[in-house]
Formats: sequence, C-alpha cells, structure tokens
Amino acid sequence: GAGVSQSPSNKVTEKGKDVELRCDPISGHTALYWYRQSLGQGLEFLIYFQGNSAPDKSGLPSDRFSAERTGGSVSTLTIQRTQQEDSAVYLCASSPWTAGQETQYFGPGTRLLVL
Amino acid sequence: GESVGLHLPTLSVQEGDNSIINCAYSNSASDYFIWYKQESGKGPQFIIDIRSNMDKRQGQRVTVLLNKTVKHLSLQIAATQPGDSAVYFCAENTSSGGSYIPTFGRGTSLIVHP
Repeated sequence: GAGVSQSPSNKVTEKGKDVELRCDPISGHTALYWYRQSLGQGLEFLIYFQGNSAPDKSGLPSDRFSAERTGGSVSTLTIQRTQQEDSAVYLCASSPWTAGQETQYFGPGTRLLVL
Repeated sequence: GESVGLHLPTLSVQEGDNSIINCAYSNSASDYFIWYKQESGKGPQFIIDIRSNMDKRQGQRVTVLLNKTVKHLSLQIAATQPGDSAVYFCAENTSSGGSYIPTFGRGTSLIVHP
C-alpha cells in the first residue's frame, strides 16, 4: 500500500535561498511530524500536526523554519534564507494517532545540501 | 547499545549470532517505547514497541525488554542476518496533554558479518 512520500528526494541549494520540502502522509493519518537528521545523528523533532489542533512548533530551530499542513493532509516545510548548517535529511512521519496506534510511519526523507 | 543518550554506537556480530542493543531513557513518565530500524538512505522503519505496563514483548526474531526500575530498554535480535545491518533507534514517548511526541536516541549501528 502507499506509504509516506516526500519530495524532492534530494535538494541542492545555495546559501540564502528558500526551499520547500513536501510530505504526503498516509491517507487517514491525523498526526504528522517533521524531523531533521544530521549525518550519523539521531532524529531532531521539528514540528507536529495533530488533526485541527494548533501545531506544536517547539522543535523549530529558528524563525527561518516554518511548516503548514493543508486540508489535514499534505504538509510543506519551508526553510528561508538557508544556511550551510541546515544541510541534513528532513524526515516526515505520519501516524493514525488513535489509542493503541501511535506508531509513526516514516517517509524516505529529503536530503538537503546547502552550498 | 544507545541511550536517549548513547552508550555503544557500533555493534559488530557474526551472522547467526544473537544481537543485543541497549537503550537508557531518562524520563520516568515515559509510557511507550518503540524500536526503529533505519537502513542506509531510507527512513526509520518500525520494528517493535512496548508499553510501560509490560516488561517483555516478542516479535519475529526480535524481543524487547523493558526495565522500568533502571529505565533501561533492550532489543534482542535472534540469529542475526546480514539484512539486519542498519542503525537501530529507540524512542520514548510521553503522552502529555494529548500530544505524543517521541524522543529518539542517537542510534546504534549494527554490522553483521557473513
């Protein structure tokens, strides 16, 4: 069946440019998460959407980072004025988020390289 | 093993051996724990989970043990195969105000030698 998809799979950009990363969650999943993973590191939580509730933005590292989720489905993570330290793999995950169904299903990630 | 905090970043085993990956967690209020496997170039994939009202759970070739007294979690892989080579993450979850945001450890790299 269809899993979580992310696009683009790879993105190379120049310092100072804006980038948009897209996530298509599994249909029907109400929860959506964005994480950042630097080389050889664990997953750094960025932002969390749950249904119609206000997103939890507590993990966003700076105001250059923002995300939205339209219609409770597709999400876009935007990084403005990219910096070299933004280079990482950006992972999206979705979850049914019902009792007993908290497991997250991850996409393949977008590999971002800021030159 | 790893911690949510890192203890042992790399574990090398021979094919057919049993592997044990460890994880220490810090939040005594955590009530749900998950192990993920991440192969090179892919996103993490769910392996097995356990809730705080259990101390052991078994899956296919994998067993997770939870010791709440010392806040320790382990993943045991029986008869390890080359296809098990990956980075393994533990994650702890604490439901808070209806929000469920897991905290991931840094990961342990498992290398299986044929």
